Amino acid sequence: GNSVTQMEGPVTLSEEAFLTINCTYTATGYPSLFWYVQYPGEGLQLLLKATKADDKGSNKGFEATYRKETTSFHLEKGSVQVSDSAVYFCALRGYTGNQFYFGTGTSLTVIP
Amino acid sequence: GAVVSQHPSRVICKSGTSVKIECRSLDFQATTMFWYRQFPKQSLMLMATSNEGSKATYEQGVEKDKFLINHASLTLSTLTVTSAHPEDSSFYICSAYLAGGRNEQFFGPGTRLTVL
Repeated sequence: GNSVTQMEGPVTLSEEAFLTINCTYTATGYPSLFWYVQYPGEGLQLLLKATKADDKGSNKGFEATYRKETTSFHLEKGSVQVSDSAVYFCALRGYTGNQFYFGTGTSLTVIP
Repeated sequence: GAVVSQHPSRVICKSGTSVKIECRSLDFQATTMFWYRQFPKQSLMLMATSNEGSKATYEQGVEKDKFLINHASLTLSTLTVTSAHPEDSSFYICSAYLAGGRNEQFFGPGTRLTVL
């Protein structure tokens, strides 16, 4: 079946630190992979996505590369800001169908 | 583009009453919408998949008679929490699926339900 395993938080970093949030997946076929961000009190927003192996999704300084050999889609940012404080969800959409599977979310707090 | 709205954003009700939450895709048609429930500091739990013009598909453990879903048009799905109890208090999020080239889910801002 399809599932997503995400690094547990919470994560606390100082401003300008490097961020990595690990995400691995289990899926049949070739899923599409996503990172969503949820700011306090708001719904989820798509941060970036990748639809095939070796694709790199990027947005707002965040990057993630679809690694089929390690079934991973780790989120990285070189220099975090206070405004990046949020909960980050890794998700996959199966090769067939349109249902999404979410990880448990990782809370990030960036302190000045 | 691809905006999803939810109404209301926040609702407080008495135990035993019913509450309806609307989910609308504002600028696209969505044959499929999803309803999620999110507990504090936890992930989204898929409750049901709502397909326009047909019955919703509920996930295991979700009471279909308690959480009534109607997807009467391509831009509107509703979730009605019937005979609400305090344990139904939660953050309910809908999403609408945009098929075609993008194949993405777009999420509503969520509805905070508090049952007294």
